[in-house]
Amino acid sequence: AQSVAQPEDQVNVAEGNPLTVKCTYSVSGNPYLFWYVQYPNRGLQFLLKYITGDNLVKGSYGFEAEFNKSQTSFHLKKPSALVSDSALYFCAGGATNKLIFGTGTLLAVQP
Amino acid sequence: NAGVTQTPKFQVLKTGQSMTLQCAQDMNHEYMSWYRQDPGMGLRLIHYSVGAGITDQGEVPNGYNVSRSTTEDFPLRLLSAAPSQTSVYFCASRMGQGARYGYTFGSGTRLTVV
Repeated sequence: AQSVAQPEDQVNVAEGNPLTVKCTYSVSGNPYLFWYVQYPNRGLQFLLKYITGDNLVKGSYGFEAEFNKSQTSFHLKKPSALVSDSALYFCAGGATNKLIFGTGTLLAVQP
Repeated sequence: NAGVTQTPKFQVLKTGQSMTLQCAQDMNHEYMSWYRQDPGMGLRLIHYSVGAGITDQGEVPNGYNVSRSTTEDFPLRLLSAAPSQTSVYFCASRMGQGARYGYTFGSGTRLTVV
């Protein structure tokens, strides 16, 4: 069965420091992987996706993610966190027509 | 450029009442789906549709009905609301059936059943 795991319920980071939000996947075949962000009382917004090609994917708001096939991971990163990055982040993955979402990671950036 | 529009944004129902959550998209997307979001459980798929006239069940379909008479609209019906259906509901659409397209989400409906 396909699954997407976000092992951390919450990540705390100081403003200006690098941040990483972890995601691992179990998807048969070549995976399609996504990151979405949800601000309070809002819907999910697309950040970036990996379909094929370069393992380092750059997305909106300075975020990037690295696809690592051997570790089945797709961690979200940003070199320098902003307080405005504080939100709920979802990883999602699939291979055919079904997209599975992780349980979400709350990112809290302290000023 | 409205994207995916959901109404209402908030709703309180009494146990046993019925209601319809509306979802409309103006991007001519084939694929539409309904998710519910609960704390610690992420997003779970309720129902989905691959095109007008075609719907199918997701992982948590019980207590919900859907129909897709047009490409644009995909309403979700709660037949007899239960407290377990208290949740935030998201409608999402994407260009095609393949997961590679990714979703555009509506802003959500926060439903409370008392």
